[in-house]
Amino acid sequence: AQSVTQPDIHITVSEGASLELRCNYSYGATPYLFWYVQSPGQGLQLLLKYFSGDTLVQGIKGFEAEFKRSQSSFNLRKPSVHWSDAAEYFCAGSNSGGSNYKLTFGKGTLLTVNP
Amino acid sequence: KAGVTQTPRYLIKTRGQQVTLSCSPISGHRSVSWYQQTPGQGLQFLFEYFSETQRNKGNFPGRFSGRQFSNSRSEMNVSTLELGDSALYLCASSLVTPSNPLHFGNGTRLTVT
Repeated sequence: AQSVTQPDIHITVSEGASLELRCNYSYGATPYLFWYVQSPGQGLQLLLKYFSGDTLVQGIKGFEAEFKRSQSSFNLRKPSVHWSDAAEYFCAGSNSGGSNYKLTFGKGTLLTVNP
Repeated sequence: KAGVTQTPRYLIKTRGQQVTLSCSPISGHRSVSWYQQTPGQGLQFLFEYFSETQRNKGNFPGRFSGRQFSNSRSEMNVSTLELGDSALYLCASSLVTPSNPLHFGNGTRLTVT
């Protein structure tokens, strides 16, 4: 069965520190992969997406993610975290060549940023 | 371009009642999908509509239904509400090609008492 796993439920970093949020996927073929962010009481905002090609993808707000087929991972990174980055982050996948509307989400990683 | 609009933002209902949630997609987006978000189960796919037709449905009971209108606006309905239906219901719209991502609204927070 297709699955997306985010091993870390909660991460705390200091403002200005680097950040890496982990995401692992299990799909029969290379999936489309996404990172979304959700602030309290809000919907999901797309940070970045991977479909094919360059394995390092750039997103909004200074985020990037790297697709590693050998590790079945799609980790999200940011070199310097800002207090406004505190939110919950979701990794999601869908079947490439299939329906783009049916996403499988990880359980999310809650990011706390200390001043 | 306006984003995905969901109304109402908050709803409080009593067990056994029914509820209707509304979603207006981004202009030009003809696919509308719905997701349920709860602390225990996370984000789960409910169903998707395109050209007024349901193309796919997640693993939810028949009490959950939806429809789409000719202008791509969509509604979802939950009948005979149960306490476990309390959740954030998110609507998303997209262009129909597989490489296009979902764009989500801010959701409707449903509380069943």
